[in-house]
Amino acid sequence: QSVLTQPPSVSGAPGQRVTISCTGSSSNIGSSYDVHWYQQLPGTAPKLLIYANNNRPSGVPDRFSGAKSATSASLAITGLQAEDEADYYCQSYDSSLSGSVFGTGTKVTVL
Amino acid sequence: EVQLLESGGGLVQPGGSLRLSCSASGFSFSSYAMTWVRQPPGKGLEWVSGISTSGDYTYYADSVKGRFTISRDNSKNTLSLQMNSLRAEDTALYYCARYYSSSWYSGMDVWGQGTTVTVSS
Repeated sequence: QSVLTQPPSVSGAPGQRVTISCTGSSSNIGSSYDVHWYQQLPGTAPKLLIYANNNRPSGVPDRFSGAKSATSASLAITGLQAEDEADYYCQSYDSSLSGSVFGTGTKVTVL
Repeated sequence: EVQLLESGGGLVQPGGSLRLSCSASGFSFSSYAMTWVRQPPGKGLEWVSGISTSGDYTYYADSVKGRFTISRDNSKNTLSLQMNSLRAEDTALYYCARYYSSSWYSGMDVWGQGTTVTVSS
């Protein structure tokens, strides 16, 4: 049972903006632990998309952005493209569990 | 090229054991905390275990605590996961991943391709 909750799916037309929420609690996001986001294309390993709440690794388009507030975080994708169709996961650290935790995952569909 | 390559997966009976290995190359292995993450078929990612740079500190998900042991050999650039008392619910694709710093509060910036573990009679 994941401690970080994401919507199972979001969808949008090409060019639109979509956001994915990641809801945690006082023992993880609310304790100021960083939130990281991953993109997993079908049949491939996850790829770090956003680190430390709102930072993009080299090579990640600026269409992807992250934000964090209180006990939640969000990932926004602007100018949605067909290649963005994938599963997305948030991740943080949980002090009660003394370990890393992943979100439940969100499937993004480009209509 | 920075790379992680897992091996050791396979089919094992319930109650059996398996040892996974992850060979690292292209970076200073001893400078990074490392972790194992698994993904059951058709499901999401589940963090399994992590280890500090020196190997002195290890931590585990409750679901594997007492059954799995993570270790590393910095002289051989290798991460390992010894899995005992395996259950059907341990069936998954197991990924080796690097935390992007020495801290396990950080994200995971390098991933292997995964090795499949199937627990079934």
